Amino acid sequence: SYDLTQPLSVSVALGQTARITCGGNNIGTKNVHWYLQKPGQAPVLVIYRDSNRPSGIPERFSGSNSRHTATLTISRAQAGDEADYYCQVWDSSLVVFGGGTKLTVL
Amino acid sequence: EVQLVESGGGLVQPGGSLRLSCAASGFTFSSYAMSWVRQAPGKGLEWVSGISGSGGSTHYADSVKGRFTISRDNSKNTLSLQMNNLRAEDTAVYYCATFPSYDYGDFELDYWGQGTLVTVSS
Repeated sequence: SYDLTQPLSVSVALGQTARITCGGNNIGTKNVHWYLQKPGQAPVLVIYRDSNRPSGIPERFSGSNSRHTATLTISRAQAGDEADYYCQVWDSSLVVFGGGTKLTVL
Repeated sequence: EVQLVESGGGLVQPGGSLRLSCAASGFTFSSYAMSWVRQAPGKGLEWVSGISGSGGSTHYADSVKGRFTISRDNSKNTLSLQMNNLRAEDTAVYYCATFPSYDYGDFELDYWGQGTLVTVSS
């Protein structure tokens, strides 16, 4: 099975840039999607196919993907960005999620 | 507006069965593949199952294969998950979600319901 590795937690100062990584073997060859989930709420898609933003997602959210690491970047972090973030890929006809990263805005 | 409303969750004993439903509205249900994703208390997301727009193609995580069955009724805009031989480790919030495509495949899950809680305990 394909494994996706995310840091358990990331902290960022208010207004600074947060980067959340998602590691996987040759992940650069896959489409990577990102979701945020706030406590008690359903996940929300924030980046699809490496770097595309769904309508309604702020430009502060961006994504990149290269070789063995995909990255979600949140610029000018706000208190409302505090959430769990999950990466997701497709592998061998299965949907695979990373373990999730808790983003704390200080 | 896309709406997905799950129902059918509850408390069930180990070895028991439960059927979850997801009522869809706001889009042409039959044109899109669907999926179930679950989240155990305090844990991350785990994909459970997926189905094509026609219902002719289904896929399952190894953890539920042989016990769970995904299906859809396109005439009623409803997605279902029949869960048999439930185990304590199946305890989770179950979400239904849409793929932006007719075929189940290499895509994101673009809309999610609010989830329904399944608790497996004696």
